[in-house]
Amino acid sequence: EPEVTQTPSHQVTQMGQEVILRCVPISNHLYFYWYRQILGQKVEFLVSFYNNEISEKSEIFDDQFSVERPDGSNFTLKIRSTKLEDSAMYFCASSEGDRLREKLFFGSGTQLSVL
Amino acid sequence: AQSVTQLGSHVSVSEGALVLLRCNYSSSVPPYLFWYVQYPNQGLQLLLKYTTGATLVKGINGFEAEFKKSETSFHLTKPSAHMSDAAEYFCAVSGYQGAQKLVFGQGTRLTINP
Repeated sequence: EPEVTQTPSHQVTQMGQEVILRCVPISNHLYFYWYRQILGQKVEFLVSFYNNEISEKSEIFDDQFSVERPDGSNFTLKIRSTKLEDSAMYFCASSEGDRLREKLFFGSGTQLSVL
Repeated sequence: AQSVTQLGSHVSVSEGALVLLRCNYSSSVPPYLFWYVQYPNQGLQLLLKYTTGATLVKGINGFEAEFKKSETSFHLTKPSAHMSDAAEYFCAVSGYQGAQKLVFGQGTRLTINP
């Protein structure tokens, strides 16, 4: 089965630093997403992206966050100035279409630790 | 607004025993319901989903779930647990026809005892 690839698997950064989390979605997919899970809490939707623009975002996704598809294969999540509370597992996902009958494929996640 | 509650953050069963993982949801619109599984060091993998139609949904690896609107539940079951079923299981809900914005429960860690 095709896979969504996320790098790195673990990232440690200092508070206030910028961090970029990288994802390679499945090649024929058009819709891309970021979710996160703070330790002990629920997996939360952050943002969805289609046709080079954000289609929906949650309250969590404030001005410190941005997403980009810099080329035909990568999908990135940037946090401009990290805070301690940004420490979480970040999951990238992709789907061929945006209807709920379409299967959503998740990556294995990047564990971000902000010190 | 939508929400999901998974009863039991940890469930332990013996190999060969029935697996029952509980999920209750709240939704102001007709829900779409999902179960995902996460094995160690892997991504979330779709087990099964309910959109419309038959309320008993069969998924991969012998799992099934039944949508009960009157009970606002979508419990996951498997008649006989295997050691390979040990993982974290997440229930999720969405009411959107559009972008796949899922609301997840907190997850249930399933342990299988030999």
